[in-house]
Amino acid sequence: AQKITQTQPGMFVQEKEAVTLDCTYDTSDPSYGLFWYKQPSSGEMIFLIYQGSYDQQNATEGRYSLNFQKARKSANLVISASQLGDSAMYFCAMSVAFMNRDDKIIFGKGTRLHILP
Amino acid sequence: NAGVTQTPKFRVLKTGQSMTLLCAQDMNHEYMYWYRQDPGMGLRLIHYSVGEGTTAKGEVPDGYNVSRLKKQNFLLGLESAAPSQTSVYFCASAQTGQRPNYGYTFGSGTRLTVV
Repeated sequence: AQKITQTQPGMFVQEKEAVTLDCTYDTSDPSYGLFWYKQPSSGEMIFLIYQGSYDQQNATEGRYSLNFQKARKSANLVISASQLGDSAMYFCAMSVAFMNRDDKIIFGKGTRLHILP
Repeated sequence: NAGVTQTPKFRVLKTGQSMTLLCAQDMNHEYMYWYRQDPGMGLRLIHYSVGEGTTAKGEVPDGYNVSRLKKQNFLLGLESAAPSQTSVYFCASAQTGQRPNYGYTFGSGTRLTVV
């Protein structure tokens, strides 16, 4: 069965430090997509970054990068030079039946990140 | 530039009452999804639709029904609300079959309380 696991319920990090949020996934499909979303206290879901299972290089979007280790089935989010505005809940998600008729995404339980001044 | 719009944003229901949540998207997306978010549980898929006139069950479909009569609208119904359905509900849409570099687009959520 497909599953996303985020083992860090909460993290506290000093401002300007780099942060790594852990995510492991389980799927038997060869084709899948991995996503990270940010949910600030206002509640909206903000798309951060995407990685396809066949992508050779790790995805990067500004201060966000996705450390994709396919053999280990991990897709950790790295935030460089953290800012106070990065304080939020972060969700790892996976698209199953990717780009097929039954495409849908499933989510992990999230990691609440607190950036300390 | 509306994207995905959910109505209402807040609602309080009494146990046993019924209601319909509306999700509307203006991006001509084929796929639409309903999720519920509960503390410590992440987002769980309730129902989804891969096109107009089609619906399918997700992880937690019991107690909910859906309809997709028009491509741009996806309705989530609660026939007889229960306190266990107190949650924040999110709708999302996507145009799959293409690389989803932009991710799936989410609405702003509906906070439902059943008393």
